[in-house]
Amino acid sequence: GQNIDQPTEMTATEGAIVQINCTYQTSGFNGLFWYQQHAGEAPTFLSYNVLDGLEEKGRFSSFLSRSKGYSYLLLKELQMKDSASYLCACVTGGGNKLTFGTGTQLKVEL
Amino acid sequence: DAGVIQSPRHEVTEMGQEVTLRCKPISGHDYLFWYRQTMMRGLELLIYFNNNVPIDDSGMPEDRFSAKMPNASFSTLKIQPSEPRDSAVYFCASSLWGPGEDTQYFGPGTRLTVL
Repeated sequence: GQNIDQPTEMTATEGAIVQINCTYQTSGFNGLFWYQQHAGEAPTFLSYNVLDGLEEKGRFSSFLSRSKGYSYLLLKELQMKDSASYLCACVTGGGNKLTFGTGTQLKVEL
Repeated sequence: DAGVIQSPRHEVTEMGQEVTLRCKPISGHDYLFWYRQTMMRGLELLIYFNNNVPIDDSGMPEDRFSAKMPNASFSTLKIQPSEPRDSAVYFCASSLWGPGEDTQYFGPGTRLTVL
């Protein structure tokens, strides 16, 4: 089966840095996506890692270690609008489908 | 592009009724996905199509659920008969390439409530 773990909730301060972790045990792993989902809205794409290492895109960065079954999403210079759920999703079944974690609800406070 | 279009946005129905959810993918996208999202189980893949052909329907809960894609610009997800446990947000998504090759673009979702 597929097992993807993320913390349920996190709280951080505006302007700070936060790291959201994701660990996985999946069959046929072939990459990892991060999506952002604001309350009542659709998930939107943030990043994609297929090789080990760090991918940077503006204030957001994502890291993958395939040998450790581990990824993280790093958000810098937090803004209030970053309050949302962050979904880790693994490409599984040899690239056949996307399996989502249950998401981490991030709350950014003043 | 208008993005993925779903209708209706909200649906309230009574147990036992038939429910049909509709989706129009982004033009030119060859892959279409149906997901269900609940608080308890998160976002789950129900079924996906490639070039209008169902590829993986292993996530379809049971025979009460069926999905079709009669052409490249339209898909339906039908629940008959509906039950209260089917209450969830149903998302349709599309992509140019397959799950491991391209990001998926999600529609706004249909919030289904079965009383």
